[in-house]
Amino acid sequence: GAVVSQHPSWVICKSGTSVKIECRSLDFQATTMFWYRQFPKQSLMLMATSNEGSKATYEQGVEKDKFLINHASLTLSTLTVTSAHPEDSSFYICSALRTGGNGYTFGSGTRLTVV
Amino acid sequence: TQLLEQSPQFLSIQEGENLTVYCNSSSVFSSLQWYRQEPGEGPVLLVTVVTGGEVKKLKRLTFQFGDARKDSSLHITAAQPGDTGLYLCAAAVSADGLTFGKGTHLIIQP
Repeated sequence: GAVVSQHPSWVICKSGTSVKIECRSLDFQATTMFWYRQFPKQSLMLMATSNEGSKATYEQGVEKDKFLINHASLTLSTLTVTSAHPEDSSFYICSALRTGGNGYTFGSGTRLTVV
Repeated sequence: TQLLEQSPQFLSIQEGENLTVYCNSSSVFSSLQWYRQEPGEGPVLLVTVVTGGEVKKLKRLTFQFGDARKDSSLHITAAQPGDTGLYLCAAAVSADGLTFGKGTHLIIQP
């Protein structure tokens, strides 16, 4: 089955530093990956769509210069939270859309805590 | 405005009881998905419904897609503590990612 690996599963960083989260499709190619954010007791909110070899598309209200997305290969997308602040603390989840297929596979999420 | 309205938001019932979760919209969807998410994990796909009026069963879970493809329901029979979790309906409204409902937090008490 389709497997998406997300790393790290949790991270604590100091305010003002940057954190990189990786999302890998392990057994399939994904031209499109998605990044979501989920606050406690809330649902997933789409942040951006990451396309291999091109710029990411950001949802309204999401700062592209703060949340840097790189999708350099068909199996890897990264999300870098730059100059993190405590309000960026959240659960970040990626998903991948299998190339030529339908259906989204989700990673296991990354719990980011900014102190 | 929430595209997918889920209800109830919270539900706590006793083991063995039945329950139904609803996902409603004023929009028509080509398909709709249901996910279950446990704390600290990503959502896991339960089912995709595609055809209006479609009914799919997954053990004690029954999913229905409305005839007009605007709404869906999830019915759990004889709920068990292992059914506890966050249930999310979602739809792909464009070429972008999924739009999720707010979710239903379900707690099954032994």
